[in-house]
Parts: sequence; C-alpha cells; structure tokens
Amino acid sequence: DAGVTQSPTHLIKTRGQQVTLRCSPKSGHDTVSWYQQALGQGPQFIFQYYEEEERQRGNFPDRFSGHQFPNYSSELNVNALLLGDSALYLCASSLDQGEGYTFGSGTRLTVV
Amino acid sequence: AQTVTQSQPEMSVQEAETVTLSCTYDTSESNYYLFWYKQPPSRQMILVIRQEAYKQQNATENRFSVNFQKAAKSFSLKISDSQLGDTAMYFCAFMPTGNQFYFGTGTSLTVIP
Repeated sequence: DAGVTQSPTHLIKTRGQQVTLRCSPKSGHDTVSWYQQALGQGPQFIFQYYEEEERQRGNFPDRFSGHQFPNYSSELNVNALLLGDSALYLCASSLDQGEGYTFGSGTRLTVV
Repeated sequence: AQTVTQSQPEMSVQEAETVTLSCTYDTSESNYYLFWYKQPPSRQMILVIRQEAYKQQNATENRFSVNFQKAAKSFSLKISDSQLGDTAMYFCAFMPTGNQFYFGTGTSLTVIP
C-alpha cells in the first residue's frame, strides 16, 4: 500500500519564478493538506483540499495556490518566488473526518 | 490563537535510558487531539503517539508514553529504553476541530551509544 508520494524531491528556482509541487495521497485518502517547514522550524499549515476545493487556509499570501484533481492528487503552486520561500514543503493526506494522517517525505525548495 | 511550545531545542540520552520531552500548548478549544511526530533525516513525519483530549487515560505505544495534563495544557513524551534509531527531531502537534495541525519548533534528540 503506497504512502504519500511527493515530487520532485529537490529543486532549485530563481527569485521571481513560479514552481509547482505535486502530491499523490495514500491509497484510500481523499483529503490533502500542505505544510511549509522552514529550516529549524515546525511545519506551518498552508491549505487543505477536499473534493477538489480549498477547504481551509493558513496565513499564507495569495502567491500560494493549489489544486486537487478527481483522483485526489494535488498540486501546490507558488508564484513570484522569494528567497524566504526556501523550505521543505510537506504534503499530508487523510480520509475526511478520519483520524489517520500520513505525511510524505517532502520537496526541498531552494530559491536563489 | 493556538500555539505549541517545545522549550528543549536539543536533548541527548544514553542508549537504554529514559528521556522525557516537554510540550505545552495554548488553546480555548475543549475538544482536540495531541500528537508527537518523529522526523528523521529522511524528512518524513512519522506518528509516534496520539492522545484525544477527552480521554483522561494517558496514551502508550510500546516504549513511548505520554503524560497529558489537560488543566496545565501539558503533553510530555517519555521514551523508555532509548534506541539509536530514536535519534531524530521530535515535534509536538495540536489539532483542534478543523483538521489543521499546529506544530511546535521541535526537539532534536540524540541517543548516545
């Protein structure tokens, strides 16, 4: 049973560019959440997707957007990248109203 | 506002000994969940233990147990018989209704052989 798969594992972007990160949830899970983990910090909630809609959003600017597809996979898009966007981006999947959350291994984004 | 505080940035313990990691949280919610997650160098967050706030009994999972003090808003993790594989970052997390995790800043635990 595959867990949460994130791609790519690492990438480097230049300030001002745009990036798309991808997440495939654990089999049977229908809800995807995204978190940003800056170096030396705990993860911060970006947003959550359920039934292809953004259901909840943390304190992140509109440069951060997302999408969920009918197969429950999800994308995180970040526009106009800033140096401060450099972080590990974690995806977590769950079954709506369920109790189990599974995290992926993250995408390490470096903005130069 | 929901906050989680881990006051021990780094800790170490001898192999086979016991160590306790501290966590406090602040919330006005009455119903919520508390978690301890382990993050090894592989970066994946791995669930260590989970506690429901309405349950008075402290959760245990093999060598891992918690001391949950709801009135004090305290949720410490005790690791018994520490093993080298326990070396990792440990994050305390809080989830009120709404399915959003609030994480602390983590405690880096090193198990010394």
